[in-house]
Amino acid sequence: AQSVAQPEDQVNVAEGNPLTVKCTYSVSGNPYLFWYVQYPNRGLQFLLKYITGDNLVKGSYGFEAEFNKSQTSFHLKKPSALVSDSALYFCAVRPPPGGYQKVTFGTGTKLQVIP
Amino acid sequence: DAGVTQSPTHLIKTRGQQVTLRCSPKSGHDTVSWYQQALGQGPQFIFQYYEEEERQRGNFPDRFSGHQFPNYSSELNVNALLLGDSALYLCASSHRGVGPDTQYFGPGTRLTVL
Repeated sequence: AQSVAQPEDQVNVAEGNPLTVKCTYSVSGNPYLFWYVQYPNRGLQFLLKYITGDNLVKGSYGFEAEFNKSQTSFHLKKPSALVSDSALYFCAVRPPPGGYQKVTFGTGTKLQVIP
Repeated sequence: DAGVTQSPTHLIKTRGQQVTLRCSPKSGHDTVSWYQQALGQGPQFIFQYYEEEERQRGNFPDRFSGHQFPNYSSELNVNALLLGDSALYLCASSHRGVGPDTQYFGPGTRLTVL
């Protein structure tokens, strides 16, 4: 069974500092990995995805994520945090095409950027 | 280009009642997935519809059912509501024909069961 772990319930970072939100996964085969952001009382917004290729994926709003197959991780990063980045971040995994195509989400990490 | 829309925004029901939630996918998308997000949790996959048929299903009881219409819009029906069904219900659309499909989410319907 596939799974996603976001080990930190909350991450606090000062505005202007780099941020990292951690994600590890478990899935059979080569995974498709996603990051979404959720603002209060809103749906999820797509940030970026990894399918294949370069391990460093660039996404929306200056975010990027690094895929590490040996560590089964897909950490979200941003070089300089903004107060407006404060939100709930979800990592998600999907198996490659064929078979059961369920998307599994992590429990979320609340990012708090401190002015 | 309209994104994913859901209705209603909020809904209050009592135990035992039935509810129908609606979703219109993003323009150009033909696949709709439904998720339940309980407070403080990540979204849990309920089921996915493509070509008007349920294609994938998560670990939800038969009280949860759905439908997809020829215009790709979808409904989620929940019968015999329980207090534990209180959650944010999210609809996500994607285009099945385009590789590893990225799902785009609607704003959700907040269901409260009293």
